[in-house]
Amino acid sequence: ETGVTQSPTHLIKTRGQQVTLRCSSQSGHNTVSWYQQALGQGPQFIFQYYREEENGRGNFPPRFSGLQFPNYSSELNVNALELDDSALYLCASSLSGAGGIREQFFGPGTRLTVL
Amino acid sequence: AQSVTQLDSHVSVSEGTPVLLRCNYSSSYSPSLFWYVQHPNKGLQLLLKYTSAATLVKGINGFEAEFKKSETSFHLTKPSAHMSDAAEYFCVVSDRRSSNTGKLIFGQGTTLQVKP
Repeated sequence: ETGVTQSPTHLIKTRGQQVTLRCSSQSGHNTVSWYQQALGQGPQFIFQYYREEENGRGNFPPRFSGLQFPNYSSELNVNALELDDSALYLCASSLSGAGGIREQFFGPGTRLTVL
Repeated sequence: AQSVTQLDSHVSVSEGTPVLLRCNYSSSYSPSLFWYVQHPNKGLQLLLKYTSAATLVKGINGFEAEFKKSETSFHLTKPSAHMSDAAEYFCVVSDRRSSNTGKLIFGQGTTLQVKP
């Protein structure tokens, strides 16, 4: 059983550019959640995808968007990058069904630096 | 609205001594509570979770936490610290209303330092 994987591990962009981060969920999981962790802070919920549709969103602007694919992998896209977008982006996968969502398993994250 | 407050940003203990990491929560609904650990350059790992069963929850690596509704607390303890316990610890809440969206709300984190 493979765990949650994310790519790339590190990324450097400049202000105004666009970025795509990728996440492969753990085998058997159908739900992916994305979190942003700024330096020295706890992770903050960006949004979640279930059955290829957004299923809940945190307090992030529309330039943060995502996709989930039929194999349950996911992408996080950020347009018009700002300096404050520099952070560790974490993906978590889980299995949703009757009784709600079970434990979320986190990937190692993608470190994004915006210059 | 739900939130968590980790009362200490940094805790330092000697190896072999007890660990106490403090967390208070706020939730309008019956909460689910978690403790996660984050080692440098590694993903978050679930230590333990409370979901309205027993109030004393045992987790991995000898950690445990007690849910106290009257005090709105969920403190993490371990009888004897090991060098490998040095990491960042997060207290997390998810109330049952939002549990179907999987929204986890993290505290600011507590850095645990273990001295030899």
